[in-house]
Amino acid sequence: GQSLEQPSEVTAVEGAIVQINCTYQTSGFYGLSWYQQHDGGAPTFLSYNALDGLEETGRFSSFLSRSDSSGYLLLQELQMKDSASYFCAAINDYKLSFGAGTTVTVRA
Amino acid sequence: EAGVTQFPSHSVIEKGQTVTLRCDPISGHDNLYWYRRVMGKEIKFLLHFVKESKQDESGMPNNRFLAERTGGTYSTLKVQPAELEDSGVYFCASSQSGLAGGNEQFFGPGTRLTVL
Repeated sequence: GQSLEQPSEVTAVEGAIVQINCTYQTSGFYGLSWYQQHDGGAPTFLSYNALDGLEETGRFSSFLSRSDSSGYLLLQELQMKDSASYFCAAINDYKLSFGAGTTVTVRA
Repeated sequence: EAGVTQFPSHSVIEKGQTVTLRCDPISGHDNLYWYRRVMGKEIKFLLHFVKESKQDESGMPNNRFLAERTGGTYSTLKVQPAELEDSGVYFCASSQSGLAGGNEQFFGPGTRLTVL
């Protein structure tokens, strides 16, 4: 089966840096994606790592280590609008297996 | 470009009734997926279409669930008869490419199903 672990919640202040870790146990692993979801709405794609290393997309970066079966999402220069749920998702075949999500709360 | 749309946004039905959810993917996306999130749990994969063919339906809970994608455009997910444990948010997603494109999937806003 598929299993992804990530922290349930994180709170930080505006301007801070937050790192959300994700460990996975999946078969047929191709890569790790991250999705953002505001208020139970449509999950929105943030990033994807197929290879080990860092992928940077603006204020967000994602990292993968296949040898450790883990990755993380780094949120920099936090803004109030970043308050949301963040999901790591392992890709095997064409489907996504999601973690339970991390609720990030940004305080002024 | 229009995103993935789902109808209805909410549905409240009684146990034993039938409900049909509809998903319109982004135009030109061959890959269409259904996912479900039961309250407090993770989003779980239900099935995957490539055009009109079911590529993977390993996540379908049981034979009360039937998904179709006639003509390879929109898709429907029918639950018949509905049970209490079917309550949750049903998401549809579509993608143009598979793994080569990073498998970026575009999600719809979901249908919130409540079975009483």
